[in-house]
Amino acid sequence: GAVVSQHPSRVICKSGTSVKIECRSLDFQATTMFWYRQFPKQSLMLMATSNEGSKATYEQGVEKDKFLINHASLTLSTLTVTSAHPEDSSFYICSARSPGRYGGGTDTQYFGPGTRLTVL
Amino acid sequence: DQQVKQNSPSLSVQEGRISILNCDYTNSMFDYFLWYKKYPAEGPTFLISISSIKDKNEDGRFTVFLNKSAKHLSLHIVPSQPGDSAVYFCAASAGANSKLTFGKGITLSVRP
Repeated sequence: GAVVSQHPSRVICKSGTSVKIECRSLDFQATTMFWYRQFPKQSLMLMATSNEGSKATYEQGVEKDKFLINHASLTLSTLTVTSAHPEDSSFYICSARSPGRYGGGTDTQYFGPGTRLTVL
Repeated sequence: DQQVKQNSPSLSVQEGRISILNCDYTNSMFDYFLWYKKYPAEGPTFLISISSIKDKNEDGRFTVFLNKSAKHLSLHIVPSQPGDSAVYFCAASAGANSKLTFGKGITLSVRP
């Protein structure tokens, strides 16, 4: 399957600092990437859709000024958690959409390994 | 409103037997369905998918069945192996280039 990397895998920071997480598609070009957040024993919550060369689309309830997304190239999207607070501590996962196996233009998302953010 | 439902939070199966993971959906616009496997502290791994134009797709030990009239799909794993123990998420999308909607996941435990 397609490979998506995330960096860093784990970060611990002080409250008030900003943290940048990178998501890269290693073996395909992704015009669209997604950022998710997962709380313990919960499903994946979509935060935003990142489109190469345009502004990200945020889901309802997600602060766009808090979670800055930049999709500068077809293989890289970044999520910056600005002025992080303890409640931002979570597992952040990105995914990249690649052309699917079936007709009709449907695509499959491949996920990165996730980033564990802990804000002290 | 939960559009993708995985009503059983967990399933325990003996090694070598079949694991059947169920998923129901309410949005009739969904036309592409996927199953992902996830270990703790890792990102989900794509397993298998099915388009609404099909009712079955098979890949090795994994088979996904889709019953559109019942808005139900299932993932069959046979034979089950201890390494299959993980959380399995069902996901669906409506139309090309749309976002995925995930179920809450089901924890599969395969006993040796």
